[in-house]
Amino acid sequence: GAVVSQHPSRVICKSGTSVKIECRSLDFQATTMFWYRQFPKQSLMLMATSNEGSKATYEQGVEKDKFLINHASLTLSTLTVTSAHPEDSSFYICSATGTSYYEQYFGPGTRLTVT
Amino acid sequence: AQRVTQPEKLLSVFKGAPVELKCNYSYSGSPELFWYVQYSRQRLQLLLRHISRESIKGFTADLNKGETSFHLKKPFAQEEDSAMYYCALSPIYNQGGKLIFGQGTELSVKP
Repeated sequence: GAVVSQHPSRVICKSGTSVKIECRSLDFQATTMFWYRQFPKQSLMLMATSNEGSKATYEQGVEKDKFLINHASLTLSTLTVTSAHPEDSSFYICSATGTSYYEQYFGPGTRLTVT
Repeated sequence: AQRVTQPEKLLSVFKGAPVELKCNYSYSGSPELFWYVQYSRQRLQLLLRHISRESIKGFTADLNKGETSFHLKKPFAQEEDSAMYYCALSPIYNQGGKLIFGQGTELSVKP
């Protein structure tokens, strides 16, 4: 089956620093990748949609200068949280679609803690 | 506005009992509806999709456009069904697969 990985699985960083999260599709080419944020016991909130080689489309209320998304290839998308603050602490999940546009394959998530 | 509502945060049933996880949506067009499941310590995965009209692991869900609902049902719950269940909507015009998730319902099946 289609597998999506994320790295790192958890990261702790200091306030004001930047942190990069990688999302990879391991055995398929991801035409579209999505980034979500999930708070404890809450739903997944879509942050942005990215297509390979083009600029990401951000959802309303998501700061594109703070959450930089790069989709450099059909198997890799990165999310960089710039100038992180404690309120950015969250669980970040990526997903990808391949040829079946309707099914998203989810990564295991990355736990970000900003101290 | 596009919205998915799952009114129950937690649903607890005994093994063998019927279960229904409620999902209502708000969307002006004809959306695609999905149920995703997340078992403990595992990633989110697709359970079923309304267009396929399948029964997966004994679960079924019927899209009721009149009531704008897509409730997930299983006649006899099993302990291994315990998980978080998310109802999701994809705008039909959006072939890119964007999903809008409900808040999720935690299903607990007791022995």
